[in-house]
Amino acid sequence: QLQLQESGPGLVKPSETLSLTCTVSGGSISTSTYYWGWIRQPPGKGLEWIGTIFYTGTTHYNPSLKSRVTRSVDTSKNQFSLNLTSVTAADTGVYYCVGYGDADAFDVWGQGTLITVSS
Amino acid sequence: QSALTQPASVSGSPGQSITISCTGTSSDIGSYRVVSWYQQLPGKAPKLLISDVNERPSGVSNRFSGSKSGNTASLTISGLQAEDEADYYCCSYAGSSTYVFGTGTKVTVL
Repeated sequence: QLQLQESGPGLVKPSETLSLTCTVSGGSISTSTYYWGWIRQPPGKGLEWIGTIFYTGTTHYNPSLKSRVTRSVDTSKNQFSLNLTSVTAADTGVYYCVGYGDADAFDVWGQGTLITVSS
Repeated sequence: QSALTQPASVSGSPGQSITISCTGTSSDIGSYRVVSWYQQLPGKAPKLLISDVNERPSGVSNRFSGSKSGNTASLTISGLQAEDEADYYCCSYAGSSTYVFGTGTKVTVL
């Protein structure tokens, strides 16, 4: 069964770059069945789609974040990553890595990792 | 790309049916059948309930059903149970390989 696990710094200073990694287990990241993505949730608020990436490197971003987001895939490690630049307190929240599959939905979720932006 | 609009809260008594609406625009819900619903229990990651407007993944109770009309999608929970108390989010494809979520609805079982 496909499982996802996020890893990240927990605390990031304002104006710095947030880097997150998601490790895929129970299957290969190099599959045509899934797009891989990130979704975040500020404290007490709703979900926000950040972007998705295919194992070939094709990426799609939320227009509101596009200028600050870069994503990559490391097929040798079965991992994909997210970089968010110039973070502010508004970027604080739980970040989930997700798989978007043949069901046309985000059907696999990591447990989430809390990121706090503070000096 | 604005968030889809959901009621902040919906409540019902055990055994009743409730419906959560999700209103978008002709650029998202109105144009595509790629609408999904997620249940988020307190402190947990969201879980897929419905995909492609009304498809239930394996293992999801048939008490959950989805529909769509025009720019509005809906999730109905029938035979409401205490374990259904959670936050619910809709999500729609919005074109150009982008997605937008709803504002979220807190379901309370009275």
